[in-house]
Amino acid sequence: QVQLVESGGGLVRPGGSLRLSCAASGFTFSDYYMTWTRQAPGKGLEFVSYITSSGNTISYADSVKGRFTISRDNAERSLFLQMDSLRAADTAVYYCGRSRGDGDHDFDYWGQGTLVTVSS
Amino acid sequence: DIQMTQSPSSLAASVGDRVTITCRASQSINSFLNWYQHRLGKAPKLLIYAAYNLQSGVPSRFSGSGSGTYFTLTISNLQPEDFATYYCQQSSSNPLTFGGGTKVEIK
Repeated sequence: QVQLVESGGGLVRPGGSLRLSCAASGFTFSDYYMTWTRQAPGKGLEFVSYITSSGNTISYADSVKGRFTISRDNAERSLFLQMDSLRAADTAVYYCGRSRGDGDHDFDYWGQGTLVTVSS
Repeated sequence: DIQMTQSPSSLAASVGDRVTITCRASQSINSFLNWYQHRLGKAPKLLIYAAYNLQSGVPSRFSGSGSGTYFTLTISNLQPEDFATYYCQQSSSNPLTFGGGTKVEIK
């Protein structure tokens, strides 16, 4: 069955960096778009970034553009999010998600999330 | 960026009720509108894609409608497992954006 498992979250100081990973199994990873979406404490879902199946097209939310970098390794069936210049406002649970199909921008499977806390 | 506005932000309902949540886009998104359910501590769940298409495995008491800038999600015969927060998401243009959410609580 489809499984997405995030890792790499933790406590980091403002201005610091963190790299999140999402390990995929149960489907042909290279056939699907992937997304990172987050939920800050007491807030709603916020799109962070997505990457197409080939990695050729990437989109970011304005709030993270220039600070976060999404990437994927199709051979390793893994999705990544490099987060630099972290701010307190980046504190959230980060979820990785899989598109419903190649070319779709809705997401039908999600991981359980990994918590990122930015605090001094 | 396209702004998505949901209403109400919360509502209280009873098991068996019919509930309708609305979502408005700041510009036309045709039918590129998706609905998710999210329970605290759980993974988001896709309910409806492309405005009215029921995702596989989702009960038929969930339905979506609308196009352009106005959309609705209706839950008929509300069940205990439906008490959660619901989000719309536009997939018309980048960056993708979510509405602010509607929390459905038990009356």
